[in-house]
Amino acid sequence: QKEVEQDPGPLSVPEGAIVSLNCTYSNSAFQYFMWYRQYSRKGPELLMYTYSSGNKEDGRFTAQVDKSSKYISLFIRDSQPSDSATYLCAMGGWANFGNEKLTFGTGTRLTIIP
Amino acid sequence: GAVVSQHPSWVICKSGTSVKIECRSLDFQATTMFWYRQFPKQSLMLMATSNEGSKATYEQGVEKDKFLINHASLTLSTLTVTSAHPEDSSFYICSAWDYQSGELFFGEGSRLTVL
Repeated sequence: QKEVEQDPGPLSVPEGAIVSLNCTYSNSAFQYFMWYRQYSRKGPELLMYTYSSGNKEDGRFTAQVDKSSKYISLFIRDSQPSDSATYLCAMGGWANFGNEKLTFGTGTRLTIIP
Repeated sequence: GAVVSQHPSWVICKSGTSVKIECRSLDFQATTMFWYRQFPKQSLMLMATSNEGSKATYEQGVEKDKFLINHASLTLSTLTVTSAHPEDSSFYICSAWDYQSGELFFGEGSRLTVL
């Protein structure tokens, strides 16, 4: 079993819909969680990060963490064609924060249909 | 926010030559940087962890003599692909931790094509 599971998609939704992207993980040592967006032929761009269970909102994006279920989500409201990209979840533990490598999901390819 | 810059963004070289890719943290110091490789439509594959002032730590299966990493300063890490072959053609991406913000930032990536 992989430490982080993420549905690779592809996922296609109509413009304006709410998008839900998810990752599950098995390592209870993971304490901080990040979502990255990667456009084709570009490096990943950090969207959001959180260190605790609950919701964190930033504009049209909401990150949700449920540590008891080892489940994280990214919601995109009022989706736009410009949101079409690959979304990667990433997570790590506190043991060696800032030095250790993050564990990444495989990424979900999202297409917003105009 | 913090910026990580990679150079060159695109490089084409002949088989057998060596290519150097630079990764710079522009407005923060990074004692730890990471190098990844990404094939089309696939996820990031971590190649190595680059530590300032010490040897890099390579992931299993990554040839350290082929992919030379040097992290000579707190703002610069370099990846040199030695004796490049067509199978080394890929998208190489670096990342760096910004300790102040607690965020991991990525470079824009460098596309290597070996003819």
